[in-house]
Amino acid sequence: DSGVTQTPKHLITATGQRVTLRCSPRSGDLSVYWYQQSLDQGLQFLIHYYNGEERAKGNILERFSAQQFPDLHSELNLSSLELGDSALYFCASSVDEGRWPQHFGDGTRLSIL
Amino acid sequence: AQTVTQSQPEMSVQEAETVTLSCTYDTSESDYYLFWYKQPPSRQMILVIRQEAYKQQNATENRFSVNFQKAAKSFSLKISDSQLGDAAMYFCAYRRNSGYELNFGKGTSLLVTP
Repeated sequence: DSGVTQTPKHLITATGQRVTLRCSPRSGDLSVYWYQQSLDQGLQFLIHYYNGEERAKGNILERFSAQQFPDLHSELNLSSLELGDSALYFCASSVDEGRWPQHFGDGTRLSIL
Repeated sequence: AQTVTQSQPEMSVQEAETVTLSCTYDTSESDYYLFWYKQPPSRQMILVIRQEAYKQQNATENRFSVNFQKAAKSFSLKISDSQLGDAAMYFCAYRRNSGYELNFGKGTSLLVTP
């Protein structure tokens, strides 16, 4: 158990809809990272928050947004969903932004019908 | 941009034998970190081993060890005494010291046969 909690584990929805994925980092971790894993693109970095502030953006679509709350949990919002958004979405956390490794949650499997 | 290449889509090893998974990366940075993550069918991403680029000594974690060749930009993972539970997808990942995100390779699927 990595200590990173992601909910829900599986989400099924339709095109055009909006969903929210939730992540609770390990106790004491200030950094949260979101990654997308798909068959064609592999594992891609989406966005990083540190202690409530956005610190880096990767290949995140404009239809996607995220935030980290004062209690350090994070949410990834995906809107106007398309079939191609079907993927496994991982949250990872680490103590800080430096040398400490990232520990991953179990992921949320998003299926768009 | 940094790229990570895993040239072996699939590998197979017999139980109790040793297997080496290859990884090369491209970077102009001198200070960075390299990782191997394991993703079993349960889909969880599990950190296997980590190497800091400034350390010449190769990292080891029990049956797992790496061969880090900085000049060659190579970072291979050796699994000794392979066990059935080692069967998984293995991802090599790079993170530059001043960066935040992990850059992953496409992965190597490891099959362990009895």
